[in-house]
Amino acid sequence: GESVGLHLPTLSVQEGDNSIINCAYSNSASDYFIWYKQESGKGPQFIIDIRSNMDKRQGQRVTVLLNKTVKHLSLQIAATQPGDSAVYFCAEDRSNTGKLIFGQGTTLQVKP
Amino acid sequence: GAGVSQSPRYKVAKRGQDVALRCDPISGHVSLFWYQQALGQGPEFLTYFQNEAQLDKSGLPSDRFFAERPEGSVSTLKIQRTQQEDSAVYLCASSLRERPRGGANVLTFGAGSRLTVL
Repeated sequence: GESVGLHLPTLSVQEGDNSIINCAYSNSASDYFIWYKQESGKGPQFIIDIRSNMDKRQGQRVTVLLNKTVKHLSLQIAATQPGDSAVYFCAEDRSNTGKLIFGQGTTLQVKP
Repeated sequence: GAGVSQSPRYKVAKRGQDVALRCDPISGHVSLFWYQQALGQGPEFLTYFQNEAQLDKSGLPSDRFFAERPEGSVSTLKIQRTQQEDSAVYLCASSLRERPRGGANVLTFGAGSRLTVL
């Protein structure tokens, strides 16, 4: 079946280091891939998206890489800060369905 | 409003009770979504409205789940005869109908309603 999943459930990094969160997907029909951040007790918050015909997109302190050959997506966070501690989800967006399909999530822990 | 508002934030129900969860989307947002998030899991799609029309309800787990959005703004998710497996956070999200040029259909989520069924 179709799925969007993550390689590691928990990632622990030192404050100031770069973080890389990975995601594998199985369905190639998506138009966009989106990363969301969810802090404890809150709903998911949009971080960045990438269109399926791109391989890289940069935002403020974040970069998303898309490798369609191996169906792999990653989120890179530069100079990780304590406020980055959260669960990160990748999600698949297909324009003809209107809905997002989420992966299981990676917990990012930032050590001071 | 400034964001998506959900109520109640916490709900404890006895097994067999009916519950109703409310969502106030961002003003002007045409699309509204309900997701279910079990502990430690990613959100799972339940249903989707465009204005008052329910375009997709394929994610509703059983006929005990019912959602409505009668005037195309506020939505209610109703769960009848609640079971323990219904315990989860129910997330509501809204989005603009039209996709921004070159962008994805970005959803703005509420904080969720945490349902605990005893």
